[in-house]
Amino acid sequence: NAGVTQTPKFQVLKTGQSMTLQCAQDMNHNSMYWYRQDPGMGLRLIYYSASEGTTDKGEVPNGYNVSRLNKREFSLRLESAAPSQTSVYFCASSPLQGSSEAFFGQGTRLTVV
Amino acid sequence: QQPVQSPQAVILREGEDAVINCSSSKALYSVHWYRQKHGEAPVFLMILLKGGEQKGHEKISASFNEKKQQSSLYLTASQLSYSGTYFCGTEGGGGSNYKLTFGKGTLLTVNP
Repeated sequence: NAGVTQTPKFQVLKTGQSMTLQCAQDMNHNSMYWYRQDPGMGLRLIYYSASEGTTDKGEVPNGYNVSRLNKREFSLRLESAAPSQTSVYFCASSPLQGSSEAFFGQGTRLTVV
Repeated sequence: QQPVQSPQAVILREGEDAVINCSSSKALYSVHWYRQKHGEAPVFLMILLKGGEQKGHEKISASFNEKKQQSSLYLTASQLSYSGTYFCGTEGGGGSNYKLTFGKGTLLTVNP
């Protein structure tokens, strides 16, 4: 089992460029999440999807959009990248909200110059 | 709103004990604990559900006081492999959609 797969692993963008971070899980999980991790700030929730067809904002959604394409895939889009979005991005999934562990992907290290 | 973790950092010698605390201002349904090694993804340690049950994982255990919206992670007889950043994650707030929100982390360093 691959678990949670994120692509790409590394990316450098110029300010104003757009890109989509991809996340796919093969565990038939219902819930999926996007987090960003910055030094001293922990893991901050950007968006989450409780189930296929639903998405909700987390703590820091500004500047991002998401798509729950199907049960397996949950993508994160930066429409116009800014240096403040330089971060490590983690995707996670869990079978059920409220009662089960979350499995994390290996992360995407994004630098916006 | 992120749960609050304390302390921010702790340094131990091998064999010593540590406690990491996590508190929230909102009613909680569950508390998760994860450990992250440098450059890696967070890895699940345990989950505590509403009900105050204490759980254990090797020499690591945790408690959940739902009345106080607090959880504590106990590491006993620490080993070098315990080094890393520990995160608590909380779910709650009512309704049917639970956000899994993490604290800022506690950096644990275990020295020989």
